Amino acid sequence: DTGVSQDPRHKITKRGQNVTFRCDPISEHNRLYWYRQTLGQGPEFLTYFQNEAQLEKSRLLSDRFSAERPKGSFSTLEIQRTEQGDSAMYLCASSLWQGVFSSYNEQFFGPGTRLTVL
Amino acid sequence: GENVEQHPSTLSVQEGDSAVIKCTYSDSASNYFPWYKQELGKRPQLIIDIRSNVGEKKDQRIAVTLNKTAKHFSLHITETQPEDSAVYFCAASIAWGGATNKLIFGTGTLLAVQP
Repeated sequence: DTGVSQDPRHKITKRGQNVTFRCDPISEHNRLYWYRQTLGQGPEFLTYFQNEAQLEKSRLLSDRFSAERPKGSFSTLEIQRTEQGDSAMYLCASSLWQGVFSSYNEQFFGPGTRLTVL
Repeated sequence: GENVEQHPSTLSVQEGDSAVIKCTYSDSASNYFPWYKQELGKRPQLIIDIRSNVGEKKDQRIAVTLNKTAKHFSLHITETQPEDSAVYFCAASIAWGGATNKLIFGTGTLLAVQP
């Protein structure tokens, strides 16, 4: 499968624990995005990277959330001291930007990691 | 901040009828508007998109229209089929130099096509 992959697909944790999710983008995609989706809602933007640089972080994102993309390939999203309100589907997407004269680049989504905080 | 409103939240049509989903965006700088289809338990998939320099775009049974003045855009599906049943999300983005940045999504429309 050459699409965006995410690991794990499901995570159940107790309140107060730390969790880390991984996203592997489509090979050679230089942009990587994280979104969060709760039941009955559209995906909500969290943060995105171009290569290893984190270009934007949502103002709604608390300091318990941190994301990295150290070598410009895979990315990790860590949530510290989880709360029940963090329960959601965490979606990763990637896209390829080929420069200012390229066509607008589609964001391809992964299958998501479903987090349940007890 | 940026906001995208989407209506209706649910839509039920008979097979073969048309379906229309409408969205309104708040940020006048938005210039890229994709539509995603999400089947139950699956990832969102792009079905069509439109840029602000185009008023309408069509791809077989799917079309999208954009009214920049009113900040409205709509998805039109003709000759609906049961496999069109899914949740549809509109989104808006400020894209520059071909690069799409964060997508601001609407709340989704659950489309049910009755055979």
